[in-house]
Amino acid sequence: TQLLEQSPQFLSIQEGENLTVYCNSSSVFSSLQWYRQEPGEGPVLLVTVVTGGEVKKLKRLTFQFGDARKDSSLHITAAQPGDTGLYLCAGARDRGAQKLVFGQGTRLTINP
Amino acid sequence: KAGVTQTPRYLIKTRGQQVTLSCSPISGHRSVSWYQQTPGQGLQFLFEYFSETQRNKGNFPGRFSGRQFSNSRSEMNVSTLELGDSALYLCASSSGQLHLSNIQYFGAGTRLSVL
Repeated sequence: TQLLEQSPQFLSIQEGENLTVYCNSSSVFSSLQWYRQEPGEGPVLLVTVVTGGEVKKLKRLTFQFGDARKDSSLHITAAQPGDTGLYLCAGARDRGAQKLVFGQGTRLTINP
Repeated sequence: KAGVTQTPRYLIKTRGQQVTLSCSPISGHRSVSWYQQTPGQGLQFLFEYFSETQRNKGNFPGRFSGRQFSNSRSEMNVSTLELGDSALYLCASSSGQLHLSNIQYFGAGTRLSVL
């Protein structure tokens, strides 16, 4: 059972376009994290959101945690080829995020 | 400081064999978690060790086991390997403190192929 549904699974767009990746669940999470993974490497943390309704910005990336702490989104503005990679959302039920539940991931390709 | 180190990076085994993977966490970190990543199932939590004790466990069969040493280094063992055990095994380290901003840092993983 996949507790976190991530969509889309694959996305290929042109440089300069905007995109949004969604992460949805019927479960409530204490915190939700977004990671980016490059081929041959482990996931690297981009952001952690812990408060319902929270919005965090990281340059051209905007992360939002749903009011009910069941869903999250990642929006990228003016995508660049360097944004290409596998984006993963992960939820933690417990404080301390020791046991993460991951979404299936979104494989993003930005074409020059 | 040095990141999370996993060894070996690649392994090829045959069905029925056993395998041991190693993870050295970031210096000062006391928690080590293990995850299995496959194309079909994505990343799935195996277990977490904190101060040499298993603190959390995922839904994997008993063939998957682990341990942690006093220096926080951890090993994961898989016995009686099956073809479906082929995966990227990732280790993550953290301080282990139970607060919301606790961050897990992942190693590059060990890619296991079972033939």
